[in-house]
Amino acid sequence: NAGVTQTPKFQVLKTGQSMTLQCAQDMNHEYMSWYRQDPGMGLRLIHYSVGAGITDQGEVPNGYNVSRSTTEDFPLRLLSAAPSQTSVYFCASSYSRGTVTDTQYFGPGTRLTVL
Amino acid sequence: GDSVTQMEGPVTLSEEAFLTINCTYTATGYPSLFWYVQYPGEGLQLLLKATKADDKGSNKGFEATYRKETTSFHLEKGSVQVSDSAVYFCALGGATNKLIFGTGTLLAVQP
Repeated sequence: NAGVTQTPKFQVLKTGQSMTLQCAQDMNHEYMSWYRQDPGMGLRLIHYSVGAGITDQGEVPNGYNVSRSTTEDFPLRLLSAAPSQTSVYFCASSYSRGTVTDTQYFGPGTRLTVL
Repeated sequence: GDSVTQMEGPVTLSEEAFLTINCTYTATGYPSLFWYVQYPGEGLQLLLKATKADDKGSNKGFEATYRKETTSFHLEKGSVQVSDSAVYFCALGGATNKLIFGTGTLLAVQP
């Protein structure tokens, strides 16, 4: 199993550009989520999904869109990049649907810089 | 709402020293509690967890006990190694489908 994979590993954008961060898992996990990690802020939840076709907002959803058309994939879209979105983005997945008591498996992260 | 507070770092220790990283939480109901570790340049990985009061999670010499009366889940290790240098995150998982993380504590172990 590859586990949770994320692409790209690094990305530089200009203000106003859009892009999609890719996340895929091959563990047949129902629950997937996106976090951003900023210095002194820990990890903050952006969006999450409890199964294909179901998504919901986390703590900091503004400026981001998600969709979940398959169990395996959970892309994160930045609609119009802003410098405040400079961060490290982590995708995570877990087996359970409707709870977060199970172990979360994290991808290696995408380091995004918005100029 | 639910929240996690953990001690600020960095924590700098010599090899073989005793480690404690404090974590307290605020939550409704009966959350599960986790410690995740992030080694340099990597994503987070689960270190240990406890799902109910008085449970003790343990792994790789680390342990933490779920204390409902003090709403705490402090991480301890009796003898740290240089390879334990990393960022440690306390996290809470409740009934809301959301995992709430603390701000992280950087541990630096010197030989």
